[in-house]
Amino acid sequence: AQKVTQAQTEISVVEKEDVTLDCVYETRDTTYYLFWYKQPPSGELVFLIRRNSFDEQNEISGRYSWNFQKSTSSFNFTITASQVVDSAVYFCALSEAQGSGGGADGLTFGKGTHLIIQP
Amino acid sequence: DAGVTQSPTHLIKTRGQQVTLRCSPKSGHDTVSWYQQALGQGPQFIFQYYEEEERQRGNFPDRFSGHQFPNYSSELNVNALLLGDSALYLCASSLRLAGVHSYEQYFGPGTRLTVT
Repeated sequence: AQKVTQAQTEISVVEKEDVTLDCVYETRDTTYYLFWYKQPPSGELVFLIRRNSFDEQNEISGRYSWNFQKSTSSFNFTITASQVVDSAVYFCALSEAQGSGGGADGLTFGKGTHLIIQP
Repeated sequence: DAGVTQSPTHLIKTRGQQVTLRCSPKSGHDTVSWYQQALGQGPQFIFQYYEEEERQRGNFPDRFSGHQFPNYSSELNVNALLLGDSALYLCASSLRLAGVHSYEQYFGPGTRLTVT
């Protein structure tokens, strides 16, 4: 069975600090997909990134960066120079491929990390 | 380009009643997934619909059922409501391409269901 663990329930930092959100996953599949979503107080989940299991290249998008390490089953998310607008709950999620027909399984989410950026 | 839409926004029901929630996928998407998010928890996968059939199901009882229409929109039905069914119900749409695995799921704003 697949599982996603976000051990950090809540993180509070002062604006402009760097912050890393941890994500550890478990899966028996060799092909799987990892995601990060942001959920602001409005409640709507906002897609941030998708990473395929066969692509361990790290990615940077502006102030956001992601570190994928298969050896430790981790997919951590770093925000550089945090801003108050980054305050939200962040979810890491995992899905497995549904065979050769395309598509993927439903997402398995972690419990989320509540990130508070203080001005 | 319209995103995922859900209706209604909020709903209050009494224990034992039945409820229907609706979802329209993002333009161009053909797959709809439903999730339940209890307060302070991550979303939990209920089921996924593609080509008007339930393709995968999470660990939810048969009281939870769904439907997908030819225009790809979807409904989630919950019978015999329990207090524990109170949650935010999220719909997500995605595109399934033959031979290509997994595309990101885009979520709607959700329906807040309160069972009293």
